[in-house]
Amino acid sequence: EAQVTQNPRYLITVTGKKLTVTCSQNMNHEYMSWYRQDPGLGLRQIYYSMNVEVTDKGDVPEGYKVSRKEKRNFPLILESPSPNQTSLYFCASSLRPDREHEQYFGPGTRLTVT
Amino acid sequence: AQSVTQPDIHITVSEGASLELRCNYSYGATPYLFWYVQSPGQGLQLLLKYFSGDTLVQGIKGFEAEFKRSQSSFNLRKPSVHWSDAAEYFCAVVPLRPRGNEKLTFGTGTRLTIIP
Repeated sequence: EAQVTQNPRYLITVTGKKLTVTCSQNMNHEYMSWYRQDPGLGLRQIYYSMNVEVTDKGDVPEGYKVSRKEKRNFPLILESPSPNQTSLYFCASSLRPDREHEQYFGPGTRLTVT
Repeated sequence: AQSVTQPDIHITVSEGASLELRCNYSYGATPYLFWYVQSPGQGLQLLLKYFSGDTLVQGIKGFEAEFKRSQSSFNLRKPSVHWSDAAEYFCAVVPLRPRGNEKLTFGTGTRLTIIP
């Protein structure tokens, strides 16, 4: 089954404690991205990757890092989480960058930073 | 500034009633237009898309949307809603003629509640 998986689905952590949210897709997609969803703000893109070893900032990259060492994986790293990063996070992938509108979305990771 | 607006934060509709969710865009030229649905606990799913041609677009789950250039709108409709349609709906745009790095921009979403 074609899918994007994220782990963990729920995470409660404390300020400053480094964390990683994993994302994996099984469709051999070139393009992957991370979004955060906040009430009244919709989805905003954090980072995206056009292919292996190619990543770039989205609209709200501050406080986040990503890596793309393998085509299937695109982890999101919060080196020093802060309460304003409490949000619902989505990973997504599409066959090509110009197919961003056809992205498959993961189920989401709800992160709470206290 | 270029933007996409969903004026209604929350809409409540009775099961079996008709539905219309509003979406307006502000771009120099007509962008590509999309509607997504986010069911509780799940990621977004593409409902339908408009690139060009017929201004009435059919999507999955019985939804349709009408592009109106004069009103810069792309409203989502369904003749008769089901309880399973309760979800959050996002309108999104991509500027005309994507060149590989044109970004998908989402509206702020409309939460749909269905009452029996």
